Amino acid sequence: DAGITQSPRYKITETGRQVTLMCHQTWSHSYMFWYRQDLGHGLRLIYYSAAADITDKGEVPDGYVVSRSKTENFPLTLESATRSQTSVYFCASSDGGSYNSPLHFGNGTRLTVT
Amino acid sequence: RKEVEQDPGPFNVPEGATVAFNCTYSNSASQSFFWYRQDCRKEPKLLMSVYSSGNEDGRFTAQLNRASQYISLLIRDSKLSDSATYLCVVSSGGSNYKLTFGKGTLLTVNP
Repeated sequence: DAGITQSPRYKITETGRQVTLMCHQTWSHSYMFWYRQDLGHGLRLIYYSAAADITDKGEVPDGYVVSRSKTENFPLTLESATRSQTSVYFCASSDGGSYNSPLHFGNGTRLTVT
Repeated sequence: RKEVEQDPGPFNVPEGATVAFNCTYSNSASQSFFWYRQDCRKEPKLLMSVYSSGNEDGRFTAQLNRASQYISLLIRDSKLSDSATYLCVVSSGGSNYKLTFGKGTLLTVNP
């Protein structure tokens, strides 16, 4: 079952370049999220979306842009990549239908900014 | 006080041991609680939800103490395959879909 997929799995880019990380889910979940995971910080929320065309900032949104024109897609764009954005990025989705709706994660994108 | 705090670990235990993880959260309005596990270089996966009355799933028992804002996970009869990082996860008060993760506790089960 496809579930939630991220692409690319690995990406190396240079400082100052724009890069887009893709996320696609097949469950029709309302909620989608982008987290970054760094040693010493754990998982931190970058942006989230409650539905198509509704997005909101998380804990660490600076330097990132998101869009959600379709329910199933939630791309994350680094407008001008910096070395501090080297990280593992996880996309997740949830149906948010009950108070115990868990997150389902994609398998991550490892981004290196040189 | 950080939103979600866990034992820093790491924990190294022999096979068959019982191990307990503790977690505290700061937002008394939080309504949803979970334990996730994360294997090395993989995505986090739901281990179990935590209910007010406590709940058990095989060798795993989760407890919630709302008064103390404390969550625990007990693993009995540890297996080698239990080796992973365990993440305590709590909803941000007022929004059940927005979750905050603890930094995780690394468990290594040794033969």
